[in-house]
Amino acid sequence: QVQLQESGPGLVKPSETLSLTCGVSGYSITSGYYWGWIRQTPGKGLEWIGNMYHSGTAYYNPSLKSRVTIFIDTSSNHFYLELSSVTAADTAVYYCARGDHYGYSYFDFWSQGTLVTVSS
Amino acid sequence: DIQMTQSPSTLSASIGDRVTITCRASQSINTWLAWYQQKPGKAPKLLIYSASSSESGVPSRFSGSGSGTEFTLTISSLQPDDFATYYCQQYSSSLLTFGGGTKVEIK
Repeated sequence: QVQLQESGPGLVKPSETLSLTCGVSGYSITSGYYWGWIRQTPGKGLEWIGNMYHSGTAYYNPSLKSRVTIFIDTSSNHFYLELSSVTAADTAVYYCARGDHYGYSYFDFWSQGTLVTVSS
Repeated sequence: DIQMTQSPSTLSASIGDRVTITCRASQSINTWLAWYQQKPGKAPKLLIYSASSSESGVPSRFSGSGSGTEFTLTISSLQPDDFATYYCQQYSSSLLTFGGGTKVEIK
């Protein structure tokens, strides 16, 4: 059974970089599929952040692209999200998830979600 | 961006009711549409992909239909475990977008 578990600080200061880790178990990241990040807020609902393949091919939400980096560590079967220059608007529950074999996809396995609050 | 609009935003129904949720895309997305169920404090759970294909393990009372710009999720006989919020998501374009959600409440 594929399982994803994200981790990272629950509180980030404005203007700093939000960093989250997603560990994948039950499936090798290098065996295929895109791996993505999605966030959820009461105001904007579910918002896709970006997807990456283990080869490095990535797709990002244009509204966040200038601030987002997703990267994969195949040796540890983890992938990562970095979101720079955060503001209160980036306060959300963040999920990591497995996409399909294509860059544009639905998500079949999700992490449980972690609340990240941006506040000084 | 492809906008996804769900209706209604809230739906009150009773156990055993047939429930239909609609999702409209601002432009044609063929059948590149997924449906999710989300319960409070939990991650979304994939129910349907490709507009009408059921994810493994999903009860047969859930079905999806539609193509182009109009889609529906139907629950044939509402069960206690089905009270939740449902979201559609398009994956036709390189910018993935979700609908605003439909909350199914107990009548």
